Amino acid sequence: DGGITQSPKYLFRKEGQNVTLSCEQNLNHDAMYWYRQDPGQGLRLIYYSQIVNDFQKGDIAEGYSVSREKKESFPLTVTSAQKNPTAFYLCASRTFSGNTIYFGEGSWLTVV
Amino acid sequence: AQSVTQLDSQVPVFEEAPVELRCNYSSSVSVYLFWYVQYPNQGLQLLLKYLSGSTLVKGINGFEAEFNKSQTSFHLRKPSVHISDTAEYFCAVINPTGNNNDMRFGAGTRLTVKP
Repeated sequence: DGGITQSPKYLFRKEGQNVTLSCEQNLNHDAMYWYRQDPGQGLRLIYYSQIVNDFQKGDIAEGYSVSREKKESFPLTVTSAQKNPTAFYLCASRTFSGNTIYFGEGSWLTVV
Repeated sequence: AQSVTQLDSQVPVFEEAPVELRCNYSSSVSVYLFWYVQYPNQGLQLLLKYLSGSTLVKGINGFEAEFNKSQTSFHLRKPSVHISDTAEYFCAVINPTGNNNDMRFGAGTRLTVKP
């Protein structure tokens, strides 16, 4: 089935460690996004990519990094520079001409 | 830039009662409007969307929304809710002529359906 797969679903890391969240889509979508969700704050855009080897910062990019080496993959690295990384992370995608963003199932990151 | 305000952070309602979740947007250009639903520990699922044409939009699970340009609103309604409708609902707006990053979400409304 076509869709967006995020892994892992749950991730625990110690403070000071980098961690990478995986996002893979087989929808042949051009653009991909990473959002962060905190209770009561809705979704905030971290990074987005419109084409391979190109990506742009969103509203809260500090402490995060991404890569887009393949059209179907858009991994997010949460670095030790991110002050409060514990959150729910959502990956999404859409076509250039499409008007709807589709979401993965999300990944919970807890830093202890 | 466009923005979205969801007027209620929480809406409790009894089963089989009607419900309205309110959403207002601001934008200097024409926009597309969306409602998404999120069940616990899951991603967002599209409920319905308004692009153009008829201002009354029907979506999945018996939900509908009405686009009101003069009031810049896009309220979500259901005539009779079920326990299974308990979830977080997000209103979103996108500028169709803008960049691919230009989708904005409201803070969400938690709908709790009580027996």
